[in-house]
Amino acid sequence: AQSVTQLDSQVPVFEEAPVELRCNYSSSVSVYLFWYVQYPNQGLQLLLKYLSGSTLVKGINGFEAEFNKSQTSFHLRKPSVHISDTAEYFCAVTPVSGYSTLTFGKGTMLLVSP
Amino acid sequence: KAGVTQTPRYLIKTRGQQVTLSCSPISGHRSVSWYQQTPGQGLQFLFEYFSETQRNKGNFPGRFSGRQFSNSRSEMNVSTLELGDSALYLCASSLEQDRYGYTFGSGTRLTVV
Repeated sequence: AQSVTQLDSQVPVFEEAPVELRCNYSSSVSVYLFWYVQYPNQGLQLLLKYLSGSTLVKGINGFEAEFNKSQTSFHLRKPSVHISDTAEYFCAVTPVSGYSTLTFGKGTMLLVSP
Repeated sequence: KAGVTQTPRYLIKTRGQQVTLSCSPISGHRSVSWYQQTPGQGLQFLFEYFSETQRNKGNFPGRFSGRQFSNSRSEMNVSTLELGDSALYLCASSLEQDRYGYTFGSGTRLTVV
């Protein structure tokens, strides 16, 4: 079984400041990793995913994440946030082999203020 | 192209009733998964269908069921509704050759009173 821990339930930040949303996972098997964003009253939108290759993954809207296998982490970063980045962000994992079911963290609410 | 369409968007039901939610995947996507999102439990996997067969099931009681039709559209049914079933129900579809490229719908917000 897998589990995902998002260490911060809420992250307040000022516009144009950098931000890091933290994600740690636990799994007895190899996993693929994902970050999703959810805007109010909407579904989930994929920001980026790590399947293999370079551990630094670039996604949409200027976000990037780095996979650290030894620390079982997959933190999401953006060098300069905008008001429009205000949303809830979910980290998720799925096993490399077997069913592609996603296990999600509890989410981090990113609050960007002017 | 059209995205994943979930209907209805909002639903209010009374405890003890049953409800059916619908999901139309992106054209060509044959895999459909359902997730429940609540403030307390977060996002939890319900089930996955592929080619009209349930391929995987989460840890939910038998009151939760689903099916998939030959055109890949999927429905989920919840019988004997409980207050705790109030949630956002999300459907996601993917291509079999891109099993990790899920596209989510906007969800159905179910309120049980």
